[in-house]
Amino acid sequence: TQLLEQSPQFLSIQEGENLTVYCNSSSVFSSLQWYRQEPGEGPVLLVTVVTGGEVKKLKRLTFQFGDARKDSSLHITAAQPGDTGLYLCAGRHYSNYQLIWGAGTKLIIKP
Amino acid sequence: NAGVTQTPKFQVLKTGQSMTLQCAQDMNHEYMSWYRQDPGMGLRLIHYSVGAGITDQGEVPNGYNVSRSTTEDFPLRLLSAAPSQTSVYFCASSYSGQDFSGANVLTFGAGSRLTVL
Repeated sequence: TQLLEQSPQFLSIQEGENLTVYCNSSSVFSSLQWYRQEPGEGPVLLVTVVTGGEVKKLKRLTFQFGDARKDSSLHITAAQPGDTGLYLCAGRHYSNYQLIWGAGTKLIIKP
Repeated sequence: NAGVTQTPKFQVLKTGQSMTLQCAQDMNHEYMSWYRQDPGMGLRLIHYSVGAGITDQGEVPNGYNVSRSTTEDFPLRLLSAAPSQTSVYFCASSYSGQDFSGANVLTFGAGSRLTVL
């Protein structure tokens, strides 16, 4: 079974704090995507990372793909209540084109 | 531009009843898929299709049927609902199912919340 483990499962912090969410696997991915999902809606893509060691920034969000392409992290600087949501990572294997999904990190930013 | 449209948004069934969850996309995407989302388990793939007339099983296909007669539509059928099928169901599409570049982005519908009593 191919697994993609996300941690932490739940995080509740105050506005202005920094946080990091991790996505880890023993498998190598051709690419890895991060999605955010708000209540009552479907996931929406935030970013795709493709190259080992790649770093992408989206305003206060920084995404990194591990050098070995087995793990990824999402760092949020100065979190805001609008960042509240479920963050999902999804990896795509070379051997098939299906996405492997993490279980998600539920993030709550308190004003 | 509607994207991916799912109906109904909410449904309550009794055990043994059948129903169809509808999914339509207007982006001319080749690839369509159905997921179920349960607390703490992430998204699990039920069935998928890489084009009209082609369907295949995902991780959790038992109890569900699909068909793909047109590019636009990909309905999910529950033939005899069970309480274990209580979940939120998402339809998602992308331009291709065979793309390793990372540019292949899934567009999701808003979800259908199903409760089986």
